[in-house]
Amino acid sequence: EAGVAQSPRYKIIEKRQSVAFWCNPISGHATLYWYQQILGQGPKLLIQFQNNGVVDDSQLPKDRFSAERLKGVDSTLKIQPAKLEDSAVYLCASTFSGSFTDTQYFGPGTRLTVL
Amino acid sequence: GDSVTQMEGPVTLSEEAFLTINCTYTATGYPSLFWYVQYPGEGLQLLLKATKADDKGSNKGFEATYRKETTSFHLEKGSVQVSDSAVYFCALAGAGSYQLTFGKGTKLSVIP
Repeated sequence: EAGVAQSPRYKIIEKRQSVAFWCNPISGHATLYWYQQILGQGPKLLIQFQNNGVVDDSQLPKDRFSAERLKGVDSTLKIQPAKLEDSAVYLCASTFSGSFTDTQYFGPGTRLTVL
Repeated sequence: GDSVTQMEGPVTLSEEAFLTINCTYTATGYPSLFWYVQYPGEGLQLLLKATKADDKGSNKGFEATYRKETTSFHLEKGSVQVSDSAVYFCALAGAGSYQLTFGKGTKLSVIP
């Protein structure tokens, strides 16, 4: 079975530019997560979707970050405008049902460098 | 809020040495506990998990036991291999929560 797909794998932009990341979860997985992983730290949850609805976006910096999952399948995370501190790996994960015992399957991540 | 503390790295071991990576947590109720591994150039993968107190998770020779009394979930392996070189993350999902809270990760390097 295909895993979680993310693109691009790497992105370099200058501060104040905008950037978008794409994620396609495992087929049939209802729950999708976006995480931010800053170098030397563990991943931090940004937003969680259940189908096409937002379950939790309490840690998403909404003044500059936005995310959508319009058809309940793939998702896009956008940053506009980017700041230096947004340099990180952005991880997408999915689970079948979103139960707290479900295994989260992670994509390879997108490494963002903001200059 | 929930939090996970794991031992600082990096950890360097010789092949066939015994491995312990300490992990303690703070959470209300009875969280589920996980160890994830990130091999060089790859995404995070679930290594093992335990969903209730005294459960032992195991996979690929790694083990961890959910200790409610000490709020710990230490990762152990009896004999590490070079292929075990990776970053290991301890994580929890709070009771009834879908969300993972991760520790900072411990980088393990195994030398021949």
